[in-house]
Amino acid sequence: EAAVTQSPRNKVAVTGGKVTLSCNQTNNHNNMYWYRQDTGHGLRLIHYSYGAGSTEKGDIPDGYKASRPSQENFSLILELATPSQTSVYFCASGDRGDTEVFFGKGTRLTVV
Amino acid sequence: GEQVEQRPPHLSVREGDSAVIICTYTDPNSYYFFWYKQEPGAGLQLLMKVFSSTEINEGQGFTVLLNKKDKQLSLNLTAAHPGDSAVYFCAVPDTNAYKVIFGKGTHLHVLP
Repeated sequence: EAAVTQSPRNKVAVTGGKVTLSCNQTNNHNNMYWYRQDTGHGLRLIHYSYGAGSTEKGDIPDGYKASRPSQENFSLILELATPSQTSVYFCASGDRGDTEVFFGKGTRLTVV
Repeated sequence: GEQVEQRPPHLSVREGDSAVIICTYTDPNSYYFFWYKQEPGAGLQLLMKVFSSTEINEGQGFTVLLNKKDKQLSLNLTAAHPGDSAVYFCAVPDTNAYKVIFGKGTHLHVLP
């Protein structure tokens, strides 16, 4: 069974602070993704990666950085967190674009 | 690139009634499609993967119809039950990029 593990599952951060969301996959997938989910917007792609060392901007990259140090790990970094970044964040992995994308259970981030 | 529109955003039906969720896409070259189900507090789980060669796809308690002429994909729950209450997303791989485009989701509420 494909597995994508996110940590932490819940996070409260202060405005202006740095936040790092971590994702680990054991699927040996090349592609990894970070989405945020907000009411009325569905899933929006923040950053994605084709493989270790690569990061690509998604549809809403502003205010976020990503890091893919290895095949298994993909991090999302908020250097200066803002309340507008309060959301549920999902990490996912997949192979080619025509195969299933596997999701983690999500991280609920609250920026106060 | 590919664009996906999903409707309705919210749907309430009585137990035993049918429910229909529709997605339209823009790229006529799209050849794989996905439906995902998200239960409360959970990540997205694959419901069905559909190939462009198959217009009628039967699942357990639901049918997915693909209309290539109109570039439309529909999820049809034949006799909804409370366990079907969830958010449903359609997804279409972008044939020009290594990413999957999601619809905005449909909140389905099945009333007992």
